[in-house]
Amino acid sequence: KAGVTQTPRYLIKTRGQQVTLSCSPISGHRSVSWYQQTPGQGLQFLFEYFSETQRNKGNFPGRFSGRQFSNSRSEMNVSTLELGDSALYLCASSLSGQDTGELFFGEGSRLTVL
Amino acid sequence: GDSVTQMEGPVTLSEEAFLTINCTYTATGYPSLFWYVQYPGEGLQLLLKATKADDKGSNKGFEATYRKETTSFHLEKGSVQVSDSAVYFCALSDRGGDYKLSFGAGTTVTVRA
Repeated sequence: KAGVTQTPRYLIKTRGQQVTLSCSPISGHRSVSWYQQTPGQGLQFLFEYFSETQRNKGNFPGRFSGRQFSNSRSEMNVSTLELGDSALYLCASSLSGQDTGELFFGEGSRLTVL
Repeated sequence: GDSVTQMEGPVTLSEEAFLTINCTYTATGYPSLFWYVQYPGEGLQLLLKATKADDKGSNKGFEATYRKETTSFHLEKGSVQVSDSAVYFCALSDRGGDYKLSFGAGTTVTVRA
C-alpha cells in the first residue's frame, strides 16, 4: 500500500514569490492535514481537509491556503513568501479525520525562502 | 484549550540505558493520547496510543500508560538502541473538545553506542 506522497521534496524560493505544495494521501483516506515544522516553533497545524471541505484551521495568516480535490489529493499554497516561511511542510492523511489521532505522514516538502 | 507539554531535550543516552520522556496534558473532554516518532529525514510515525484512562500503549519496546489522575502519558523504554535516536512527540486528540490533534514540542533523543 503506497504511503503519503509529497512533492516537491525540496524547493528554494525568494521573498515575495508564491509556492504550491502537493500531497497524495493513502488510497481510501479522506482526510488530509497540513503542518509546518520549524526548529523554533515545532509542529504547527495549518489546516485539515475532509472530502474537499476545510474542517479545521490553525492560526496562520491568509497567505496560507489549501484545497482538496475529489480524489482526496491536496495542495497548499503560500503567497508572498517571507523568510520566516522557511520550514518543513508535512502532510498527513487519515481514514476519517485527524481527531482520531491516527495520522500517516509524508516525508515533507522542505521550503527554503531566500 | 487542549495542550500537551513534554520534557525539553535534547536527551543523550548510552545504548541499553533506560529512557523516560515526560508528557502531561490539559484537555476539556475525553482525550486519546499518542506518541509519534520522527526519524532523521522522515515524516512522523505513530508509535503507540491509548484511548482511555489506565490504558497502556506499547510498541517496539516502548510503553506509555494513560494516567488520568496525574494527566500524564510518559514514554518509557527499558533498553534503548542507537536506532532509537529520533524526535519523539506526545499528542492529544480530544473528541469532546476541538477535534484537533495537538502535538507537544518534541523531544530529541540521541543514543550513543
